Amino acid sequence: GQQVMQIPQYQHVQEGEDFTTYCNSSTTLSNIQWYKQRPGGHPVFLIQLVKSGEVKKQKRLTFQFGEAKKNSSLHITATQTTDVGTYFCAGRGGYNFNKFYFGSGTKLNVKP
Amino acid sequence: GAGVSQSPRYKVAKRGQDVALRCDPISGHVSLFWYQQALGQGPEFLTYFQNEAQLDKSGLPSDRFFAERPEGSVSTLKIQRTQQEDSAVYLCASSLVRDGNQPQHFGDGTRLSIL
Repeated sequence: GQQVMQIPQYQHVQEGEDFTTYCNSSTTLSNIQWYKQRPGGHPVFLIQLVKSGEVKKQKRLTFQFGEAKKNSSLHITATQTTDVGTYFCAGRGGYNFNKFYFGSGTKLNVKP
Repeated sequence: GAGVSQSPRYKVAKRGQDVALRCDPISGHVSLFWYQQALGQGPEFLTYFQNEAQLDKSGLPSDRFFAERPEGSVSTLKIQRTQQEDSAVYLCASSLVRDGNQPQHFGDGTRLSIL
């Protein structure tokens, strides 16, 4: 069945270093969403990518959707302690479905 | 404004008991999702409603799991004859329209522990 794999599982960085998390799907996705979950909190929507090769930026965060719409990445430049949390990608498999497949998440820890 | 509200926040039950988890979505949101999140994992899809219609229940692990949204707003996830492997956080999310291109707004979840 459809799966969305996400790596790495954990990332520990020093404040100011960059961070990247990657998602790969076994099948073509219609769109992909990214969420952030703070410790003890719930997932909060960050962004959605729909088009092949799409790149979107939010301040220090850069999101990419692969040309084949099977992979995606989130890159954070110059991490801050406020970036701590777990980042999830969620891919939707088809245009007629509302079923999202979440990756297992990348837990980011930022040392001040 | 009010977000997605879930109750109870925590539920402890003995194995074999039935439990009911409630979700109040954002007012006017058409789509409602239930997810199960195990410790250290991503949310796993359980079921999806569009208004009162349950359009996809392919993620429900067994026939012990049942969800409803009778009036197209509040939803209840019921688990019968609970087992230890049902222990997890159950998340509810809603989105404005039905096209799958909208952000999902999550509640704080219900942490279910089965003893």
